[in-house]
Amino acid sequence: EAGVAQSPRYKIIEKRQSVAFWCNPISGHATLYWYQQILGQGPKLLIQFQNNGVVDDSQLPKDRFSAERLKGVDSTLKIQPAKLEDSAVYLCASSHPDSYQPQHFGDGTRLSIL
Amino acid sequence: EDQVTQSPEALRLQEGESSSLNCSYTVSGLRGLFWYRQDPGKGPEFLFTLYSAGEEKEKERLKATLTKKESFLHITAPKPEDSATYLCAVRSNYGGATNKLIFGTGTLLAVQP
Repeated sequence: EAGVAQSPRYKIIEKRQSVAFWCNPISGHATLYWYQQILGQGPKLLIQFQNNGVVDDSQLPKDRFSAERLKGVDSTLKIQPAKLEDSAVYLCASSHPDSYQPQHFGDGTRLSIL
Repeated sequence: EDQVTQSPEALRLQEGESSSLNCSYTVSGLRGLFWYRQDPGKGPEFLFTLYSAGEEKEKERLKATLTKKESFLHITAPKPEDSATYLCAVRSNYGGATNKLIFGTGTLLAVQP
């Protein structure tokens, strides 16, 4: 079974610029997550989708971050404008809707803000 | 507030030297404790899920156990390829439909030949 696909793998931008990340979940996984992992820390949930709908975006900085999941499959996460503190790895994960199912992660996008 | 603390932060072992990693947690109703392995430049790779105190899971040289306050990841006769960061995460009852995982900061394990 193919894993979670993410692109790009790396991105370098200057502060105040915008950036977008793309994620394709494991086939059949209705639930999709975006996590932020700052160096030396564990991942932190930004947003959870169930099919097209948002389940939890309580930790998403909505003044600069946005995410969408059209057609209940692929998802994009956007940052506009970027700040220095947004430098991190952005991980996408997917799972079956059952809350006891594990989340499977992609390899992430490493974002560096200059 | 839900919280996960992992110890030690880093651990260096000789090949074949068994040891344990600790994950202590406080949650408002546990809906699963998860162990992941993360290699440099990669995403977390799922290892185990534990649901209730007393439960144990095994996979090759790894064994995970769970009590009401903590979980241990036991590594028996480790090999250099077991070197990685091991992350512990919990899911709580708070927030209804959310499946949010609360992660610890991980234990960086280095196994020397």
